[in-house]
Amino acid sequence: GAVVSQHPSRVICKSGTSVKIECRSLDFQATTMFWYRQFPKQSLMLMATSNEGSKATYEQGVEKDKFLINHASLTLSTLTVTSAHPEDSSFYICSATFGPGGTSEYEQYFGPGTRLTVT
Amino acid sequence: GEDVEQSLFLSVREGDSSVINCTYTDSSSTYLYWYKQEPGAGLQLLTYIFSNMDMKQDQRLTVLLNKKDKHLSLRIADTQTGDSAIYFCAESMNNQGGKLIFGQGTELSVKP
Repeated sequence: GAVVSQHPSRVICKSGTSVKIECRSLDFQATTMFWYRQFPKQSLMLMATSNEGSKATYEQGVEKDKFLINHASLTLSTLTVTSAHPEDSSFYICSATFGPGGTSEYEQYFGPGTRLTVT
Repeated sequence: GEDVEQSLFLSVREGDSSVINCTYTDSSSTYLYWYKQEPGAGLQLLTYIFSNMDMKQDQRLTVLLNKKDKHLSLRIADTQTGDSAIYFCAESMNNQGGKLIFGQGTELSVKP
């Protein structure tokens, strides 16, 4: 149980275009989803926290107009990188939690990641 | 602010035990986690420990927590080549909505 998927796994786009990445919890309802960015050989940097039905909370330094997050349902959150540039090339990983209550409250499950390359 | 530190590399021989260490600065941590990341993949939750515990064992994995020294370790018994990966420790704080702070990751290399 507790499987999180991401789509696409890899995407190449031209500079100036937008790309959408989907994060789905397949067998549980995720009240909270997180979006991370990871550069090669580095740790994960939290970009934003997304709660179903409300606006995402962005970390300091993350441009909310550039990285649009929508958490439309308890099983789906999307990250749209708008007007992408080569410096946005990175590995984007989402995670999901069950939310408050229950023994799994503090377990955060990660998707397999999406490799974005902007040319 | 919050900070989590790990050594970057560890190399062991197959069959030996591996010990990966982590230190953190925030004493209000509620849960501490160990994640495993294989190349090009997401993170796999290995185990976690509540901050009022000293030790947790799960098959080949043993987590030790020294809250006084803010030191966390992960011991992998009988390390196998399939254990080669990057291991991240992470902490979550009370009332932070599940936000995790990650260490830099320790690359474990297991030699046959």
